[in-house]
Amino acid sequence: EADIYQTPRYLVIGTGKKITLECSQTMGHDKMYWYQQDPGMELHLIHYSYGVNSTEKGDLSSESTVSRIRTEHFPLTLESARPSHTSQYLCASSDYQTGTDTQYFGPGTRLTVL
Amino acid sequence: DAKTTQPTSMDCAEGRAANLPCNHSTISGNEYVYWYRQIHSQGPQYIIHGLKNNETNEMASLIITEDRKSSTLILPHATLRDTAVYYCIVKSHQGAQKLVFGQGTRLTINP
Repeated sequence: EADIYQTPRYLVIGTGKKITLECSQTMGHDKMYWYQQDPGMELHLIHYSYGVNSTEKGDLSSESTVSRIRTEHFPLTLESARPSHTSQYLCASSDYQTGTDTQYFGPGTRLTVL
Repeated sequence: DAKTTQPTSMDCAEGRAANLPCNHSTISGNEYVYWYRQIHSQGPQYIIHGLKNNETNEMASLIITEDRKSSTLILPHATLRDTAVYYCIVKSHQGAQKLVFGQGTRLTINP
């Protein structure tokens, strides 16, 4: 089982609020990722990180931002939430050093912006 | 763009082996074949991966053809809890390679 955690699991908030979705992993993985998935649709990469102080944008344009101050922690922030941000956000991590680079996913955060 | 082709849906009887095919005719020499599944919008669950040889773990077996252009995921004794969308993904281990999830195969295990 993967030791990767996301909080909150569900979040309903009003437009204009600032939110932070938490993701942490206890596996010491250097690479971490954020994916976005709308119901019944494909996953799309929105952010990733090679390691501490490294962040990159993914394929899908997103108004969210991320930070990587500690290896185990990769939070995602929305400064001003809008209804278009309603989606499921999935965090993943992988360990490139072992040569497998297999990505393990957290349970996801389902965000609803009213 | 997804580099794999999978059937949209499949059915299997509980207790039987579920064989899920995947075509990846443009796979490169350094790309691995990965299988994940997603149960009702939970986070995707890693199942197995391989490069050339067949692989087996506690969840499934992966059979890769000699030319590597296709593979089959085998769940040996399917249970109702195996009902999920199964994704076949090809990916190298270089850089921060993202997982490109296509539409996958919706596998339904019937009692």
